[in-house]
Amino acid sequence: GESVGLHLPTLSVQEGDNSIINCAYSNSASDYFIWYKQESGKGPQFIIDIRSNMDKRQGQRVTVLLNKTVKHLSLQIAATQPGDSAVYFCAENWGSSYKLIFGSGTRLLVRP
Amino acid sequence: DTGVSQNPRHKITKRGQNVTFRCDPISEHNRLYWYRQTLGQGPEFLTYFQNEAQLEKSRLLSDRFSAERPKGSFSTLEIQRTEQGDSAMYLCASSPRAGFDTIYFGEGSWLTVV
Repeated sequence: GESVGLHLPTLSVQEGDNSIINCAYSNSASDYFIWYKQESGKGPQFIIDIRSNMDKRQGQRVTVLLNKTVKHLSLQIAATQPGDSAVYFCAENWGSSYKLIFGSGTRLLVRP
Repeated sequence: DTGVSQNPRHKITKRGQNVTFRCDPISEHNRLYWYRQTLGQGPEFLTYFQNEAQLEKSRLLSDRFSAERPKGSFSTLEIQRTEQGDSAMYLCASSPRAGFDTIYFGEGSWLTVV
């Protein structure tokens, strides 16, 4: 398959370190947010979601933080592994709309 | 495999030809979505079905594009008279019910128009 994200911002981290991927969303009315991981040639894979009535949510090795004041979302990955290397997208949704609006993505590279 | 299934995974076609992609959502998911993704970009919404009803269409979905979900299960996306600008990955996704709910994507169908 072809690669996605040829000209994306890149975050390079050492294996075992923590990673923080940031996202600025566009609509102050957005009330649901999702982080997806996308490996080369594959579809987006759900990682974690958060609703606007929360400011933090934790999953397995991942934490999402939401700051509605500045319209900022972050994904923290603990003890980053080589398998975490991928492009990460945040997506937002609001109100009665059924569609997700995706951000531009960040490529995460994990150095062994 | 109980995920969203798409086929074909890859399609190369000559400009002007018609192509059709099929999506089988996760069983019992009544919401189905089509997105398009080009290199270096995030997915862009094309259209949405709730059961067999097509409830929302993006302006990206020109007259050459048509999507159906006749029995509220699988869906097809047809592109007529393909153009080189149609080259992209076409993603299908599904979610189980109304309101906020996780949207799961398939592996996508790559289209290359030559």
